[in-house]
Amino acid sequence: DGGITQSPKYLFRKEGQNVTLSCEQNLNHDAMYWYRQDPGQGLRLIYYSQIVNDFQKGDIAEGYSVSREKKESFPLTVTSAQKNPTAFYLCASSRGQGGNQPQHFGDGTRLSIL
Amino acid sequence: SQQGEEDPQALSIQEGENATMNCSYKTSINNLQWYRQNSGRGLVHLILIRSNEREKHSGRLRVTLDTSKKSSSLLITASRAADTASYFCATAQNPNKLVFGAGTILRVKS
Repeated sequence: DGGITQSPKYLFRKEGQNVTLSCEQNLNHDAMYWYRQDPGQGLRLIYYSQIVNDFQKGDIAEGYSVSREKKESFPLTVTSAQKNPTAFYLCASSRGQGGNQPQHFGDGTRLSIL
Repeated sequence: SQQGEEDPQALSIQEGENATMNCSYKTSINNLQWYRQNSGRGLVHLILIRSNEREKHSGRLRVTLDTSKKSSSLLITASRAADTASYFCATAQNPNKLVFGAGTILRVKS
């Protein structure tokens, strides 16, 4: 079955530590996205990538970094500069431009502070 | 910034009843999408309605769009317990990005 796989499902970060969230898709989609969801709120865009080796900042990119070396992979690193990282992180992909196409989501990674 | 705002924030109905959720937005859009999120899971796309469309159906779902009022509604008919979830509208101001509202929590009691 085609889809998006996020791992791990739960992640704990210590003070001063960088952590990386994995996102892999086998839908052959060009565009990929990372969102942050806080309790009772909608999704906020962190980074997005329309094509391999290119990515753009979203609305809340500070304290995060990404790479897009392969079409199917878009890992997100939560750096120590992100002072409030506790949230539910969702990865998505779309066939074309994400504003004009349905986005397909993974099942998320829940990040907490130790 | 959040473009869409859903109303109500929470809705509780009996199985078999209809559920209506509303979404208002501020600026002109290319299209509007509705998504469902079950607790602790990712979002699932329900319907995309383009700015030149007024109504769209998919199974028990009916979406309307009124661009003059900058609003959309999602109607779920004959609701089931399995429809219990959060529902989000998302608008596209430009081709690359969706902006999500805070969502409506729907609880269907059996």
